[in-house]
Amino acid sequence: DGGITQSPKYLFRKEGQNVTLSCEQNLNHDAMYWYRQDPGQGLRLIYYSQIVNDFQKGDIAEGYSVSREKKESFPLTVTSAQKNPTAFYLCASSPPGTGAGTHEKLFFGSGTQLSVL
Amino acid sequence: KQEVTQIPAALSVPEGENLVLNCSFTDSAIYNLQWFRQDPGKGLTSLLLIQSSQREQTSGRLNASLDKSSGRSTLYIAASQPGDSATYLCAAAGSYNTDKLIFGTGTRLQVFP
Repeated sequence: DGGITQSPKYLFRKEGQNVTLSCEQNLNHDAMYWYRQDPGQGLRLIYYSQIVNDFQKGDIAEGYSVSREKKESFPLTVTSAQKNPTAFYLCASSPPGTGAGTHEKLFFGSGTQLSVL
Repeated sequence: KQEVTQIPAALSVPEGENLVLNCSFTDSAIYNLQWFRQDPGKGLTSLLLIQSSQREQTSGRLNASLDKSSGRSTLYIAASQPGDSATYLCAAAGSYNTDKLIFGTGTRLQVFP
């Protein structure tokens, strides 16, 4: 079955530790995204990538880093510089658009809940 | 700066009712608007996508409309069922940067038997 797989489902971070969230897709989508969701708030964009070996900062990139070495994979590292990392993290992908923009329907993974110990 | 608002934040209705969820956006220069469904602890599922040139989209019991001039979109759910219980989010893609979706905070819907 085609889809987006996020792992782990639950993750705990100790103070001063970097942790990496995995996101893999087999939909052959070019664009991939990382969002953060806090209770009672809308999703906020952390990083996005339109093509392999290229990525751009979203609205809340500080304290996070990403890589895009393969089309299928877009891991997110939450660094120790992120002082408030507790949130639900969602990875998404989308196929190329047909018009001037690149954004079409988003397909989401099932999310990773990150908590601080 | 685009802001997206959803009212009400929560809604509880009996099964069988037709209902309307509202989404407002401040910048009418949008590329498209999407409606998503999110079940507790899960990712989002795209329900409907309306391009800026369209006025509405339909899928089964769902109908979404878009009025750019008034900065509003509505999601109409006909004959609601308990299985429709979830949080519904709308998101607008700007014309200048279509890769950035601005999400509303969602409407949490409960449909009781």
